[in-house]
Amino acid sequence: SAVISQKPSRDICQRGTSLTIQCQVDSQVTMMFWYRQQPGQSLTLIATANQGSEATYESGFVIDKFPISRPNLTFSTLTVSNMSPEDSSIYLCSVAGVGLVNEQFFGPGTRLTVL
Amino acid sequence: DQQVKQNSPSLSVQEGRISILNCDYTNSMFDYFLWYKKYPAEGPTFLISISSIKDKNEDGRFTVFLNKSAKHLSLHIVPSQPGDSAVYFCAASSRGSTLGRLYFGRGTQLTVWP
Repeated sequence: SAVISQKPSRDICQRGTSLTIQCQVDSQVTMMFWYRQQPGQSLTLIATANQGSEATYESGFVIDKFPISRPNLTFSTLTVSNMSPEDSSIYLCSVAGVGLVNEQFFGPGTRLTVL
Repeated sequence: DQQVKQNSPSLSVQEGRISILNCDYTNSMFDYFLWYKKYPAEGPTFLISISSIKDKNEDGRFTVFLNKSAKHLSLHIVPSQPGDSAVYFCAASSRGSTLGRLYFGRGTQLTVWP
């Protein structure tokens, strides 16, 4: 497995502002993902962060709202832009282990509250 | 549309007894299934997985059973311990689809009491 850290662990933000969440892995991984877990809901994939190219977004998620960067094989950022209270969620970074791409390992998550 | 369903939001079991957590799926293309455990304020932790070519996979106290015809899988924990109290998520994927794409259920809160 990989050791994954996320910053910040939690934040309270004002409506209309943006927050950038960082994900750091202790080893190079092939794939990195960003998920959202809204209260009482399952984990939903936002996008796959591709190293050196644009992220691949799932239906219902767009780059203008959730810009993602992945400058190398160990680091990625997710920005939640122009936030509204509906964006209050836990945001999770995950990675796919080398050779076992369907077994994903998750970071501790970022708990975001938008007022 | 929820392709992976965990219909029991909670389960309470006495220590030492068996815990059985259930999961149903609708997409016949799913061929790989995983269980994750999540403690409060932590990310989900991978627990056990099973490929569709098997109907059972065992790892210590944890066993996952897969019934492909019923599109159903279950996680058995024997014997249950208080430290097993957590939210358990079932997840599924298809290796033929976008690599690594996982579909999650909403989770079952397991409480193991002494």
